[in-house]
Amino acid sequence: DADVTQTPRNRITKTGKRIMLECSQTKGHDRMYWYRQDPGLGLRLIYYSFDVKDINKGEISDGYSVSRQAQAKFSLSLESAIPNQTALYFCATSDGGPETQYFGPGTRLLVL
Amino acid sequence: GQQLNQSPQSMFIQEGEDVSMNCTSSSIFNTWLWYKQEPGEGPVLLIALYKAGELTSNGRLTAQFGITRKDSFLNISASIPSDVGIYFCAGRKVQGAQKLVFGQGTRLTINP
Repeated sequence: DADVTQTPRNRITKTGKRIMLECSQTKGHDRMYWYRQDPGLGLRLIYYSFDVKDINKGEISDGYSVSRQAQAKFSLSLESAIPNQTALYFCATSDGGPETQYFGPGTRLLVL
Repeated sequence: GQQLNQSPQSMFIQEGEDVSMNCTSSSIFNTWLWYKQEPGEGPVLLIALYKAGELTSNGRLTAQFGITRKDSFLNISASIPSDVGIYFCAGRKVQGAQKLVFGQGTRLTINP
């Protein structure tokens, strides 16, 4: 089984809908991250969490919210999806600094 | 947000050729990272660099932390078909910070 799993892998939704992307990990890491990747822009940090009680905004948190339900689970929500949130979303985990991050396979989201 | 300037954006080479790519910034970084991303997968860390002037190898890959701390280079020697993918640089400005700044990526295509 994969160490970091993301569900769904692909999602199409409509403008204004609320959607949730889920991430779970079996690596036992305390730190979890959500990134988005856009063509030509690399990855940008949305939110990160050091443990269940610690949530921090990243570079581009507007329009997103997160929930750390357990050490192994970190969910990303789009409260009201808009087309410019169409992107590839990655979850990552680490047991140290960001250079030790282990990335999930990604969720491809299309907002119509 | 700030991005690193990664070049070239794409490369088309023959199998067996050497590859060079670089990442530059107007700001100083104290950590440089190089990742590879394959289709349908998240980025995988190839090499981490922590000190100006540092030269580190991982098999046929060699990366260097620029003396000015504003750039980094990745070389791949004797390319093989499995080297195909997108290569990203990433930098961390402050020791202990969680945020990584990513380059736009270099897409490597190899003709057999």
